[in-house]
Amino acid sequence: QKEVEQNSGPLSVPEGAIASLNCTYSDRGSQSFFWYRQYSGKSPELIMSIYSNGDKEDGRFTAQLNKASQYVSLLIRDSQPSDSATYLCAVGGGGADGLTFGKGTHLIIQP
Amino acid sequence: DAGVIQSPRHEVTEMGQEVTLRCKPISGHDYLFWYRQTMMRGLELLIYFNNNVPIDDSGMPEDRFSAKMPNASFSTLKIQPSEPRDSAVYFCASSLGTTYNHQPQHFGDGTRLSIL
Repeated sequence: QKEVEQNSGPLSVPEGAIASLNCTYSDRGSQSFFWYRQYSGKSPELIMSIYSNGDKEDGRFTAQLNKASQYVSLLIRDSQPSDSATYLCAVGGGGADGLTFGKGTHLIIQP
Repeated sequence: DAGVIQSPRHEVTEMGQEVTLRCKPISGHDYLFWYRQTMMRGLELLIYFNNNVPIDDSGMPEDRFSAKMPNASFSTLKIQPSEPRDSAVYFCASSLGTTYNHQPQHFGDGTRLSIL
């Protein structure tokens, strides 16, 4: 049974600070790692993907991957109130084509 | 370009009725996925298709659920008979390739299903 674990939160961060979201996964064969943002009542929206160990930056977002530790993280710099949402970690490529999702971390950016 | 299109957006029906959810994937995408989201279980993969062929339906909860993809631009998820525990948001997603090949999945707006 493939598992993806996230702290459900809520994680409260002051506006302008760095938000750090973490995720661990069980399947060592996983190849692809995604972060989706989901606003309440909306669909998941892809914000970052990462496939190799290390960091990947895109604007205010940085994804970090450590396959040896089976750990993925997402950093959001200069957090804005509009970043308040649930962030879903998704893992795939370990022998099947579907994604396994964590239950998400609820992030609140306090103005 | 149009994204993944799902219909209806909301469905309220009584227990025992047949429910049909519809999805149009992004043009050119070879993979189509059906997910279900609940508060208790999060987002779960139900079934996925590659080039209109069902590949893995191990996530389909029971025989009351069935899915078809008659052509590259249309898929249905059917529940018959429906039960209150089927109440959830059902998402359709599509992708250009597999997650093994690093292809992301793009989600539709979902169908919020309520079974009374």
